[in-house]
Amino acid sequence: KNQVEQSPQSLIILEGKNCTLQCNYTVSPFSNLRWYKQDTGRGPVSLTIMTFSENTKSNGRYTATLDADTKQSSLHITASQLSDSASYICVVSASSSYKLIFGSGTRLLVRP
Amino acid sequence: DAGVIQSPRHEVTEMGQEVTLRCKPISGHDYLFWYRQTMMRGLELLIYFNNNVPIDDSGMPEDRFSAKMPNASFSTLKIQPSEPRDSAVYFCASSFPLAGGLRNEQFFGPGTRLTVL
Repeated sequence: KNQVEQSPQSLIILEGKNCTLQCNYTVSPFSNLRWYKQDTGRGPVSLTIMTFSENTKSNGRYTATLDADTKQSSLHITASQLSDSASYICVVSASSSYKLIFGSGTRLLVRP
Repeated sequence: DAGVIQSPRHEVTEMGQEVTLRCKPISGHDYLFWYRQTMMRGLELLIYFNNNVPIDDSGMPEDRFSAKMPNASFSTLKIQPSEPRDSAVYFCASSFPLAGGLRNEQFFGPGTRLTVL
């Protein structure tokens, strides 16, 4: 069964600190993996998209990694800001399909 | 471009009433998706269209749900009759056609928060 699992469910950090969010998937055949940021009351916005051959992808202070062998991905946030407070959702696409498999998300709270 | 536009942003209705949610995709996008998001189940794909034609509606929960796309710039999701368990945030997303890079990034609208009393 195609599944995407994320950890932790929620996380609280102080402004300026770094953090890493985890994603494990069992989607096959794998096409691509993306991380979305969803602010409260808004739709998800794509941060990064990675295919099988890509190990790392950065978008400003966000860096995503992908290990296709172990089927794991991480999202590292550097020097966190209050505006990083949001839910971060790991999403995997199978075999060129438009159907996306969503993780349940990690809710991040950055405190001053 | 203003992005994906959804209306209304909030809808409160009573059980048994008909609800119609509206979506305008990004101009030039050939794919349109309807999602539902709840705390319990997260984001779920309900149905998606390609060139105004429904391709996969296997996620539509019941016959009470129906979706149409009469033209490339407009889609509706209708619930009739509505029930309290339909309360959720409904998102519309649109995308370019699949390309060689298989990036098929989906752009989400702001969502419609539906409350059925």
